[in-house]
Amino acid sequence: DVVLTQTPLSLPVNIGDQASISCKSTKSLLNSDGFTYLDWYLQKPGQSPQLLIYLVSNRFSGVPDRFSGSGSGTDFTLKISRVEAEDLGVYYCFQSNYLPYTFGGGTKLEIK
Amino acid sequence: QVQLQQSGAELARPGASVKLSCKASGYTFTSYWMQWVKQRPGQGLEWIGAIYPGDGDTRYTQKFKGKATLTADKSSSTAYMQLSSLASEDSAVYYCARRVTMTYAMDYWGQGTSVTVSS
Repeated sequence: DVVLTQTPLSLPVNIGDQASISCKSTKSLLNSDGFTYLDWYLQKPGQSPQLLIYLVSNRFSGVPDRFSGSGSGTDFTLKISRVEAEDLGVYYCFQSNYLPYTFGGGTKLEIK
Repeated sequence: QVQLQQSGAELARPGASVKLSCKASGYTFTSYWMQWVKQRPGQGLEWIGAIYPGDGDTRYTQKFKGKATLTADKSSSTAYMQLSSLASEDSAVYYCARRVTMTYAMDYWGQGTSVTVSS
């Protein structure tokens, strides 16, 4: 199975700071169709996960432009340019290029 | 608007089975894969498997083969997941989520169903 390793596990930030989360895959997530099937999800406390970014760098409808995704192959990054209080929660990367699909272990974004 | 409404919390005995439901509305149920995700208390997300309601095709993580059975009823636009031979490690919240055809992302999620296994 593909393993996604997220770092850091915990990310204490101040409101207004930039935050960056890494996701590294044990296999390249580039598909033969040219797409890279790597998404980012945020799970706010007590809520279901919600889609933030799909295909590495595409923001889902309604996601603020302070969220951006980048990367290729096996290395990916989610950046939040200016953290707001509503951004707190656990962030997960997810790959759907290989069965079984797999999630990263999660990164908890919290107030410093 | 797209909605996924999951069934209520379950309390079950060890060794028993439960069948969770996920009722879809606001889109063509048979045209999208439905995925299922497990989350144990205080833990991360775990992909269980998926079903394509159009033809009943299923995919499972090896770990959940024999544990989870995914089905779908086209007439009621409802996806089901049956969990069998329940044990304490099956106590978790289970989510259904719709998979976007072109991007494979999970764009809409149910509210989750809590399953507690206890004697």
